[in-house]
Amino acid sequence: AQTVTQSQPEMSVQEAETVTLSCTYDTSESDYYLFWYKQPPSRQMILVIRQEAYKQQNATENRFSVNFQKAAKSFSLKISDSQLGDAAMYFCAYRNTGNQFYFGTGTSLTVIP
Amino acid sequence: DAGITQSPRYKITETGRQVTLMCHQTWSHSYMFWYRQDLGHGLRLIYYSAAADITDKGEVPDGYVVSRSKTENFPLTLESATRSQTSVYFCASRGSALESYEQYFGPGTRLTVT
Repeated sequence: AQTVTQSQPEMSVQEAETVTLSCTYDTSESDYYLFWYKQPPSRQMILVIRQEAYKQQNATENRFSVNFQKAAKSFSLKISDSQLGDAAMYFCAYRNTGNQFYFGTGTSLTVIP
Repeated sequence: DAGITQSPRYKITETGRQVTLMCHQTWSHSYMFWYRQDLGHGLRLIYYSAAADITDKGEVPDGYVVSRSKTENFPLTLESATRSQTSVYFCASRGSALESYEQYFGPGTRLTVT
């Protein structure tokens, strides 16, 4: 089974600063998808950004961008110009070409005013 | 309302009782999923369904039963609840098209087994 590892249980960042959340994964497949989900205190899971493994270009969504290193099996999330509303639990997820998603254990992000 | 809903949102039950968590989606998505979320484990897949009457086990299926007689509904039943099944349960769905990358999650059900 695939595994997804988030080695930072907690992170903090000053408002307006940049923070990077780490994620590594283990797979023998060449075609797959990677995601970052945000879970605020409301518990709702919100998709932040996704990356297709066959694309070399790193995905970007406004203030959110990823650093996808396929050979290293690394998929970090960079949040620029951090805002108070970014405070949440962030989950990295892997999906193979089948139907199963595998999630990391999450990183709790605190934004300091 | 359009989207994916779960009921109840909160449930307290006793050990040994049967409890069913409901999930309903209005998009006619082919795939539906049940996850449990526990501290230190992230989200783990319990069961999923590719279409009506087609279900398959995920990572942690023991103690759970699912059915899918209609595309829009995917109930999860704990036949004899145990304290280890205290968790937050999320239902999710996604379309069947190759480009349907994203899963859409329901709001979650917090289940406490006493």
